[in-house]
Amino acid sequence: GEDVEQSLFLSVREGDSSVINCTYTDSSSTYLYWYKQEPGAGLQLLTYIFSNMDMKQDQRLTVLLNKKDKHLSLRIADTQTGDSAIYFCAEKGTGGFKTIFGAGTRLFVKA
Amino acid sequence: EPEVTQTPSHQVTQMGQEVILRCVPISNHLYFYWYRQILGQKVEFLVSFYNNEISEKSEIFDDQFSVERPDGSNFTLKIRSTKLEDSAMYFCASSDFRQGGTYNEQFFGPGTRLTVL
Repeated sequence: GEDVEQSLFLSVREGDSSVINCTYTDSSSTYLYWYKQEPGAGLQLLTYIFSNMDMKQDQRLTVLLNKKDKHLSLRIADTQTGDSAIYFCAEKGTGGFKTIFGAGTRLFVKA
Repeated sequence: EPEVTQTPSHQVTQMGQEVILRCVPISNHLYFYWYRQILGQKVEFLVSFYNNEISEKSEIFDDQFSVERPDGSNFTLKIRSTKLEDSAMYFCASSDFRQGGTYNEQFFGPGTRLTVL
């Protein structure tokens, strides 16, 4: 079945770049997403990439997609303490409504 | 900015009791969803709902679960007889498919933490 895997923790210093990695199994994925969850809040869509793209940049965020290896990454430039949160990788296949999530990567930003 | 709201934020119940988790989706959205996240595990899809019926459900969503849109604003998840393993954070989401169904941004609520004792 479909699966999304990501590492559980990442710690970086303020001002450094963060790179969060994710792998997925569904070769029919059409959209791949990055969600952010802050304490006590819901899942906030940060950015998404369509499967026919290999890169998307949005201000400090860069998403890279390697469709051959089914690998997705999120790079946060100039990481700030306010970026500390859990980041979820997710994918949606063709048809259907469900989104498949990874377990989330907890990003710690040290001042 | 419109947002999805959920009540209560935390529900504690005894095993075997029925619980109803409530959600108010964004008002012009047409598709509604429930997900859950057991502590430390992945966010799992439970069910999607459109036009007053279930459009897709996962194998987790067995006969103990039901969903309803009792009026024009609320969307509820009922667990008929709770088990210990139902303890999780339950997220409601809604989306708008007016963009031809090709792009689906699901807006999530803050979640209800269900604790079954």
